[in-house]
Amino acid sequence: KAGVTQTPRYLIKTRGQQVTLSCSPISGHRSVSWYQQTPGQGLQFLFEYFSETQRNKGNFPGRFSGRQFSNSRSEMNVSTLELGDSALYLCASSLGVSGSTDTQYFGPGTRLTVL
Amino acid sequence: KNEVEQSPQNLTAQEGEFITINCSYSVGISALHWLQQHPGGGIVSLFMLSSGKKKHGRLIATINIQEKHSSLHITASHPRDSAVYICAVEFQGAQKLVFGQGTRLTINP
Repeated sequence: KAGVTQTPRYLIKTRGQQVTLSCSPISGHRSVSWYQQTPGQGLQFLFEYFSETQRNKGNFPGRFSGRQFSNSRSEMNVSTLELGDSALYLCASSLGVSGSTDTQYFGPGTRLTVL
Repeated sequence: KNEVEQSPQNLTAQEGEFITINCSYSVGISALHWLQQHPGGGIVSLFMLSSGKKKHGRLIATINIQEKHSSLHITASHPRDSAVYICAVEFQGAQKLVFGQGTRLTINP
């Protein structure tokens, strides 16, 4: 069974631009969660999508948004990029059917650099 | 405030040593996860616990709900165990993970 894939793996943008990152979950997984990892703040939860609906959201500004498609693939978008958005963005998929978190399977991440 | 604290932040040991990494959290939880991150960024889920103890190969994870504390143990450590180990907690009612800062483990041959 193929693992979680993320595209692109590396991205360089300039301040003010916007960016879209993609995540394809493991087949059969309906939940996709997004995380931001920086050296200063560590790993932080962005949001979770389940069956095309945002189920949970972290404490990030509205510039960070996402969506999920009917095939469970998910995208996240960051508008008006700031230098502080430079980070490794990870997505993780899970079955998502229980009331609490399931075992999560992480993708390799997209490393975003904002200049 | 829902917080997760890990210790130590860095740990260097010799091959074969017994390793313990600790995780403490502030309030009641639904589940606790131990994750492993290798250089390059890939993260692997090692354990998910809500009580007791789990073992997989040379790795053992325990949790004490009353003391709000979990430990990850590695027996007969090996250089390939070198990685960052991250504790992540789902606080009750939250349905999202809060992460510790990670423990960077280096095992020297």
